Amino acid sequence: KNEVEQSPQNLTAQEGEFITINCSYSVGISALHWLQQHPGGGIVSLFMLSSGKKKHGRLIATINIQEKHSSLHITASHPRDSAVYICAVSNSGGSNYKLTFGKGTLLTVNP
Amino acid sequence: GAGVSQSPSNKVTEKGKDVELRCDPISGHTALYWYRQRLGQGLEFLIYFQGNSAPDKSGLPSDRFSAERTGESVSTLTIQRTQQEDSAVYLCASRLIPHPGNSPLHFGNGTRLTVT
Repeated sequence: KNEVEQSPQNLTAQEGEFITINCSYSVGISALHWLQQHPGGGIVSLFMLSSGKKKHGRLIATINIQEKHSSLHITASHPRDSAVYICAVSNSGGSNYKLTFGKGTLLTVNP
Repeated sequence: GAGVSQSPSNKVTEKGKDVELRCDPISGHTALYWYRQRLGQGLEFLIYFQGNSAPDKSGLPSDRFSAERTGESVSTLTIQRTQQEDSAVYLCASRLIPHPGNSPLHFGNGTRLTVT
C-alpha cells in the first residue's frame, strides 16, 4: 500500500463545477504539499501546509492532521485547470527532507 | 534568474551511451533534489543534496547512476551505459531551506530522456 493515496485517479468536470481532490497518508508528517503538473511536465507548487486551511485565488487546501487527510478544492473550475494534481508529504523525523508522492489525479475540465 | 533551469530539455540517445543531465537551481537554494518520472507514473526520488553535507543517494537505482553538485550551485546527473528502462523525465527541484515546514519546492521543467 502506497503511503500516500489520492482519489480519484481521474476526474472529468464541466467548466464552473466545484472540484475536490482527496489525499490520505499513513505516516507522520511535518508538511503536506499540493503540486500541479501540466502536460509537458512542468510542476508548480500550489500549497505547502501543516495545519488548517490555505486559500489562493480559486484554490483551497485543507488538512486534518488527526485524520491524516487533506483535500484540494477548486471553485469555479476552468479548462485551464486541467492538469495532474499531486499530493506529497514530508515525513516527520530524521529524513524530513524527503517527500513521498501520491500517484496524482488527472483533472480534465471541459468547456 | 528565474526558476530552476534544466538542460537539455530533450535527449535521445542510443542504448549503451552515457548521458549527462544538468540542473541550475535557484540562486541561494541550499537543497537540491533529482527525481525520475516514468510515463504515467509518479515521481521517484533519486538523490538529495544539502549544502556541503554528504548527499542522500539512497534512491539511485543502480551504480550506472551518479550525481554531483559543487557547493550550492549546478548539479549534474550522469547515467552510464543507458538502457531503455532509463527512458523517463528527469526532474530537478530546489528549495531555499531544508526544513520542510518552511519552504516549498521549485521544480525545473525536466529533461525528457529517450533511450533507443
